[in-house]
Amino acid sequence: EAQVTQNPRYLITVTGKKLTVTCSQNMNHEYMSWYRQDPGLGLRQIYYSMNVEVTDKGDVPERYKVSRKEKRNFPLILESPSPNQTSLYFCASSPYGGASEQYFGPGTRLTVT
Amino acid sequence: AQSVTQLGSHVSVSEGALVLLRCNYSSSVPPYLFWYVQYPNQGLQLLLKYTTGATLVKGINGFEAEFKKSETSFHLTKPSAHMSDAAEYFCAVSLMFSGGYNKLIFGAGTRLAVHP
Repeated sequence: EAQVTQNPRYLITVTGKKLTVTCSQNMNHEYMSWYRQDPGLGLRQIYYSMNVEVTDKGDVPERYKVSRKEKRNFPLILESPSPNQTSLYFCASSPYGGASEQYFGPGTRLTVT
Repeated sequence: AQSVTQLGSHVSVSEGALVLLRCNYSSSVPPYLFWYVQYPNQGLQLLLKYTTGATLVKGINGFEAEFKKSETSFHLTKPSAHMSDAAEYFCAVSLMFSGGYNKLIFGAGTRLAVHP
């Protein structure tokens, strides 16, 4: 089944404790992105990647890191999480930019206390 | 700056009534336009999209949207609401930026409630 998977789905952590949210797609897509969803703000792009080893900042990249060492994987790293990073996170992939549909993972709900 | 505005963060309709969710965008060039739906505890899935050609676009589950360039709008409609349509709906535009990548910009979302 074609899909985007994320792990974990739910995570509660404390301020400053490094964490990684994994994202994997099995559709051989070039593009991958991370978004955060906050009430009243819709989805905002954190980082995106156009291909292996090619990543760039989105609208809200502060205090996040990503890497794209393999085409299928695009982990999101919070090296020192803070409470304002409490949010719902989505990974997405698409075969190309422009008019192509983005396929979203199920989301990761992160709470930082 | 390019933006997407969805009028009404919450819309409530009766089962069988018309659904109308409004979306306006600001862009200096014709964008690609999308509507996504998010059911509770799930990711987003594509309802429909406009790229070029016919301005009335049909999507899944009986939804359709019309691109009106003069009004910079892409409103989503469904003639008869079903209980299963209760979800959050996001309008989005895809814009080309320098460097050759296309960025998806989302509206704030509209939560649709359907009452018996």
